[in-house]
Amino acid sequence: VQLVESGGGLVQPGKSLKLSCSASGFTFSSYGMHWIRQAPGKGLDWVAYISSSSGTVYADAVKGRFTISRDNAKNTLYLQLNSLKSEDTAIYYCARSWGGVMDAWGQGASVTVSS
Amino acid sequence: DVVLTQSPATLSVTPGERISLSCRASESVDTYLHWYQQKPNESPRLLIKYASQSISGIPSRFSGSGSGTDFTLSINGVELEDLSIYYCQQGNSLWTFGGGTKLELK
Repeated sequence: VQLVESGGGLVQPGKSLKLSCSASGFTFSSYGMHWIRQAPGKGLDWVAYISSSSGTVYADAVKGRFTISRDNAKNTLYLQLNSLKSEDTAIYYCARSWGGVMDAWGQGASVTVSS
Repeated sequence: DVVLTQSPATLSVTPGERISLSCRASESVDTYLHWYQQKPNESPRLLIKYASQSISGIPSRFSGSGSGTDFTLSINGVELEDLSIYYCQQGNSLWTFGGGTKLELK
């Protein structure tokens, strides 16, 4: 099982960014997937979930600004981040979900929101 | 939202000792409580699932117990490689993490 995030970077407040998570080593379409973030020096913070049938759930802090999606043909998970704020600065991890357990994690993508 | 409170925030340990880390939920999460280890500059990894179920490849010195609102992660014979931050996570009502317990060397 391998999950590889990409697309992070430095972005100005109010701008947008799209993260990707490329999955391999398992049947991607059969699993729900999460995005979790970790602000510098802080703990883990769940961001969003997408089921194998593409149902979505969001944390209140990002609802209406972030969009999780998936492309099963490309074995790729996405997170569209809009209207970014300084408090969105974090490492963003994708994780595979099975029965509510996050059993495999990527290495993370760093997002810095600053002018 | 279910709030998970971990204690202590920091625990100073001596190699070889048995330790216990606590995770308390603000409401019952049944046994939908999982533990993760995060070493410095690494991604988290799953240690224990459903409160007490072991994970393949995780050393047997790690064990979990509890149900409802009170949970414990135990390490029987701490090793230097265990110096990390440990997080609990509930999956009974959406998903939330505890604030973490950092193991440091005494």
